[in-house]
Amino acid sequence: GAGVSQSPRYKVAKRGQDVALRCDPISGHVSLFWYQQALGQGPEFLTYFQNEAQLDKSGLPSDRFFAERPEGSVSTLKIQRTQQEDSAVYLCASSLVRTARGPYEQYFGPGTRLTVT
Amino acid sequence: AQTVTQSQPEMSVQEAETVTLSCTYDTSESDYYLFWYKQPPSRQMILVIRQEAYKQQNATENRFSVNFQKAAKSFSLKISDSQLGDAAMYFCAYRGPISSGSARQLTFGSGTQLTVLP
Repeated sequence: GAGVSQSPRYKVAKRGQDVALRCDPISGHVSLFWYQQALGQGPEFLTYFQNEAQLDKSGLPSDRFFAERPEGSVSTLKIQRTQQEDSAVYLCASSLVRTARGPYEQYFGPGTRLTVT
Repeated sequence: AQTVTQSQPEMSVQEAETVTLSCTYDTSESDYYLFWYKQPPSRQMILVIRQEAYKQQNATENRFSVNFQKAAKSFSLKISDSQLGDAAMYFCAYRGPISSGSARQLTFGSGTQLTVLP
């Protein structure tokens, strides 16, 4: 596709439910990132994949959050037993990394707005 | 840890005028990258401009330019000839060097909401 796509665009979950958020990166992009954006704030890093390897998950707020990218393309962010504080926009971004040096802009998807009631 | 600070939560500008958005950051690295992203109500984060720290020349993209002051750790965005379509939330972001391993992610400021007045 032409850009990063995410689904669903909106998700309402009752507290305690599990949710799965999907990200389709730009074809050929090696790196994939997940960010969480609270209302009125800047995005905050959650986790990073290079191909299928999850190289950094230091930003995941709890063990209820889990991400995977099994074939090195599509990624899923799963949140178990959702809590109200999980309500946020979840952004996915991808970038192309060929050499060690370079700005490697991240291209963002439109995000999934999760509301936990 | 790197931090990015945007001290102006809101700014407004008259159409066709010029506005400058401020950003400061803190890092111990000498080689890094800085970005300005625009986020309209659609939530799509759009790259506006980027600056490599090793380049002394300020980046320019059409009506958008930056004032990069490495010693002061300042990275402001100037929008000239403001248009109604420029209205959005603007985020300053920092990314460390690839060689530092885990520094691939972006660190964002809290954003500046820009209103363009007709």
